[in-house]
Amino acid sequence: GAGVSQSPSNKVTEKGKDVELRCDPISGHTALYWYRQSLGQGLEFLIYFQGNSAPDKSGLPSDRFSAERTGGSVSTLTIQRTQQEDSAVYLCASGLAGGTSYEQYFGPGTRLTVT
Amino acid sequence: DAKTTQPTSMDCAEGRAANLPCNHSTISGNEYVYWYRQIHSQGPQYIIHGLKNNETNEMASLIITEDRKSSTLILPHATLRDTAVYYCIVRRYSGNTPLVFGKGTRLSVIA
Repeated sequence: GAGVSQSPSNKVTEKGKDVELRCDPISGHTALYWYRQSLGQGLEFLIYFQGNSAPDKSGLPSDRFSAERTGGSVSTLTIQRTQQEDSAVYLCASGLAGGTSYEQYFGPGTRLTVT
Repeated sequence: DAKTTQPTSMDCAEGRAANLPCNHSTISGNEYVYWYRQIHSQGPQYIIHGLKNNETNEMASLIITEDRKSSTLILPHATLRDTAVYYCIVRRYSGNTPLVFGKGTRLSVIA
């Protein structure tokens, strides 16, 4: 079956521009997560959506970062006024509430480069 | 969630068993041990999880010590495609909470 998809796969932007990254979770998954992985760093949690509950934004590094999830499905991560330190691979994952393992299924990521 | 400690890197000969250790001495009673791996340029992939009993699936086996302070992930017959970074994560089994990744172990399977 179809897994988690993300677009674009690569994005190069100039410092100060806004970018939008898209995530299409696995159909029926109610949980959706955004993580990022900087060069040489581990994976860092950004934001988490669970059903209709208010999202957990505790991992967002600054107010330039925001995310929304429309209709309980597709999610968009927006970074405003991008900075060079925002360069990273942004990973989206989805999960099935009530599953037996609460495992998360990851997409291939979007590689963001801020020049 | 409790902190985990893993070796930075390990090598394993192709066809041999790969044994990846993880220390989680501060694990609490309601925390599970999860393993994920990340193959180069891909997103992480779930492998296995367990509470206190040993677990086995089609990918690997998980051995958890009786005091639950450490565990070992076993890939019984490592192949070149198993070369990846392996993450041991301790997590409460209370729903779809975010994963907290450490540095992991970089496993290199050598032909």
